[in-house]
Amino acid sequence: DTAVSQTPKYLVTQMGNDKSIKCEQNLGHDTMYWYKQDSKKFLKIMFSYNNKELIINETVPNRFSPKSPDKAHLNLHINSLELGDSAVYFCASSQDGDYGYTFGSGTRLTVV
Amino acid sequence: TQLLEQSPQFLSIQEGENLTVYCNSSSVFSSLQWYRQEPGEGPVLLVTVVTGGEVKKLKRLTFQFGDARKDSSLHITAAQTGDTGLYLCAGENFGNEKLTFGTGTRLTIIP
Repeated sequence: DTAVSQTPKYLVTQMGNDKSIKCEQNLGHDTMYWYKQDSKKFLKIMFSYNNKELIINETVPNRFSPKSPDKAHLNLHINSLELGDSAVYFCASSQDGDYGYTFGSGTRLTVV
Repeated sequence: TQLLEQSPQFLSIQEGENLTVYCNSSSVFSSLQWYRQEPGEGPVLLVTVVTGGEVKKLKRLTFQFGDARKDSSLHITAAQTGDTGLYLCAGENFGNEKLTFGTGTRLTIIP
């Protein structure tokens, strides 16, 4: 059983399109995150949700909208995709009071 | 903004050699985590250090947290080809609810 699963694994789309990435965790963790990894492999936090509530929004363009229907799911919707949005997006989760994040295997988004 | 600089950025050594990767910051962290990431996968947690001066060992890997909790190091003894990967340090502060990642060290072990 995969602990943190994201779909799709690869996403190729044209500029201006709207797309969504889904994430689910079966670990019972309280907090979920979206991270963006650029071409230089630098990981930067985008959003954090704790029990369905947004707690971190790191100056991400409002074309990016996270949605957490329940504690186990955190989806990312991106409107009007731009070339600069091309990156690998990682979902992660953690348990309050514990150290360490569990990451999904990433979604490679390519905007053409 | 808290920044974590890792050095070296790239490291390529022969199997059997020893190596050290450094993670430095001007900020203090409550804990420091080390992850390894392989191509096409997400980072996987190796260890967490929480006390200044703490040393943790994971088989051939030794992790140290600086006394001032601003820096950390990862030492690998007798490197193996399976150690190849991207090593990331990450700092966390209580109440901040986010992990700040370092710039990464890409390690290649040559057989």
